[in-house]
Amino acid sequence: DIVMTQAPLSVSVTPGESASISCRSSKSLLHSNGITYVYWYLQKPGKSPQLLIYRMSNLASGVPDRFSGSGSETDFTLKISRVEAEDVGIYYCGQLLENPYTFGAGTKLELK
Amino acid sequence: QVKLQQSGAELVKPGASVKLSCKTSGYTFSTSYMSWFKQIPGQSIEWIGMIYAGDGGTGYNQKFKGKATLTVDTSSSTAYMDLSSLTTEDSAVYFCARRVTVAPFDYWGQGVMVTVSS
Repeated sequence: DIVMTQAPLSVSVTPGESASISCRSSKSLLHSNGITYVYWYLQKPGKSPQLLIYRMSNLASGVPDRFSGSGSETDFTLKISRVEAEDVGIYYCGQLLENPYTFGAGTKLELK
Repeated sequence: QVKLQQSGAELVKPGASVKLSCKTSGYTFSTSYMSWFKQIPGQSIEWIGMIYAGDGGTGYNQKFKGKATLTVDTSSSTAYMDLSSLTTEDSAVYFCARRVTVAPFDYWGQGVMVTVSS
């Protein structure tokens, strides 16, 4: 199985500042079709996960453009600029390249 | 709008089975995929498997083969997941989520807590 490793496991951010979350996969997520199959989800407290970023760098519908995704074949970053109170929760990276789809352990974002 | 409504919380005894439902609306269920996930409180998300509503074709995480069985009823636009031979390790929140090609898992059910206890 592809292992997704996130860092840090928690981050505390002052509102208005930016935050970055890293994710590393144990195998390249770049398919021969040119698509990198890494995704980012946010799970707010007591809620279901919600899609933020698909195919490494594409913003999901309705997601503020304060969120952005980037990376290479195995190293990925989610950046949140101008963090707001509504951004609090656990962020997960996931790979949908191979069965089984796998997710990182999550990064908990809190406000200072 | 797209909605995925899951059935209510379950309390089941060890060794028993349970069938969870995920009723959908707001999109064409019969030509879509549905995935199911397991999340033990405080832990990450595990993908259980996926089913194509068009023909009932399935794909499972090897870890959950024999534990979970996915089915659909296109007449009611509902997806189901049977969990069998339950143990305390199956106690978790289970989610259904729509799987679309480009932006997968864009809509999720609210989750259902399954508690396995004698």
